Amino acid sequence: DTGVSQDPRHKITKRGQNVTFRCDPISEHNRLYWYRQTLGQGPEFLTYFQNEAQLEKSRLLSDRFSAERPKGSFSTLEIQRTEQGDSAMYLCASSLGGQRNVFGPGTRLTVL
Amino acid sequence: ILNVEQSPQSLHVQEGDSTNFTCSFPSSNFYALHWYRWETAKSPEALFVMTLNGDEKKKGRISATLNTKEGYSYLYIKGSQPEDSATYLCALPSGNTPLVFGKGTRLSVIA
Repeated sequence: DTGVSQDPRHKITKRGQNVTFRCDPISEHNRLYWYRQTLGQGPEFLTYFQNEAQLEKSRLLSDRFSAERPKGSFSTLEIQRTEQGDSAMYLCASSLGGQRNVFGPGTRLTVL
Repeated sequence: ILNVEQSPQSLHVQEGDSTNFTCSFPSSNFYALHWYRWETAKSPEALFVMTLNGDEKKKGRISATLNTKEGYSYLYIKGSQPEDSATYLCALPSGNTPLVFGKGTRLSVIA
């Protein structure tokens, strides 16, 4: 297993556009997490899945954000009508149960 | 929301120096503490998961201690090398939030 992968690694978009990111977790991991990291801050929790069920969503996850994990494997995070404040590193992690989170390399989003 | 504080915010040391930094957290309702190392352009890498008061863990030149009664953990690096340059993050689970992270300590090791 090559670990957690994320695609794309970088995304530049114009304000108002929609963007979608993908995360492929470690195959035997049943939990998948999304975090966001902005300059000078640590990663902030957005949401997580156990298998295909979305179990928790942070108040940071506004109505413009939606995440799915349709078959309990890969996950997508979509941001609609992007704003400049959405510019951040979006990190995905996976784990087996609540054990150690293994992180992907992140997707860096820049909204112009 | 759990308040996780890390200090210092950044640190510059010479190659060969030993260094340490701190993660502070509320001592009530402690469950576990995670240390991560995050190098630029790479994935955050798990270093340690600590659960018991008095825990000491070691991985090569890096070690960590935990004091849950007073609410702090120390991360030590012995004989720093340029490849140790990274941001060191600590994180704790809190309620329904899998991990609450501190802002990190950015370490630069100068050759």
